[in-house]
Amino acid sequence: DAGVIQSPRHEVTEMGQEVTLRCKPISGHNSLFWYRQTMMRGLELLIYFNNNVPIDDSGMPEDRFSAKMPNASFSTLKIQPSEPRDSAVYFCASRAASGRGGGNEQFFGPGTRLTVL
Amino acid sequence: AQTVTQSQPEMSVQEAETVTLSCTYDTSESDYYLFWYKQPPSRQMILVIRQEAYKQQNATENRFSVNFQKAAKSFSLKISDSQLGDAAMYFCAYRSGAGNTPLVFGKGTRLSVIA
Repeated sequence: DAGVIQSPRHEVTEMGQEVTLRCKPISGHNSLFWYRQTMMRGLELLIYFNNNVPIDDSGMPEDRFSAKMPNASFSTLKIQPSEPRDSAVYFCASRAASGRGGGNEQFFGPGTRLTVL
Repeated sequence: AQTVTQSQPEMSVQEAETVTLSCTYDTSESDYYLFWYKQPPSRQMILVIRQEAYKQQNATENRFSVNFQKAAKSFSLKISDSQLGDAAMYFCAYRSGAGNTPLVFGKGTRLSVIA
């Protein structure tokens, strides 16, 4: 398996533009997580899905952020309009379910480095 | 809500020596999992070691071992025979044992290895 795939790897955009980040989880994984990493706040959960259904989006900073998972093999994180403070590394991760909800490893994608000018 | 605290923003170790990274957490749950992740400059998140809270025995993976003190809610990582390739950010993380829940991360410790 190719692992969790994220695109693009780098994105530079101007304030006010729409940004769409994409993620393909590992086949067979039923949980998908979006995290944001900044120097000030570290790694924060934005939203996660179980079986394509959003479970907790309380980490999404504002209405400018939205995420979708239309099927088991694809998710998007959209920022519209983007602002300089959105500059960060955005990680997607996926995990398989276990009967115990247990210790299955969460696999991370390589991240998307977003710079908003 | 669960929290994870890493009190050492930066640490350094001589090559071939041993270093211990600290982590404490706060939770009211009895069933949970703890992890250490390594993030090298490539920014890829790599799982180093995992500990199930119900296991008393400390986890070990080659040169990496943990000291899990459940009552004290402490989960430190020991790296033995440090190598230059161990230089990275290290994140301690917590996950509830209830269902498919996300990881809660500490702020990280930057480890430098001196040749």
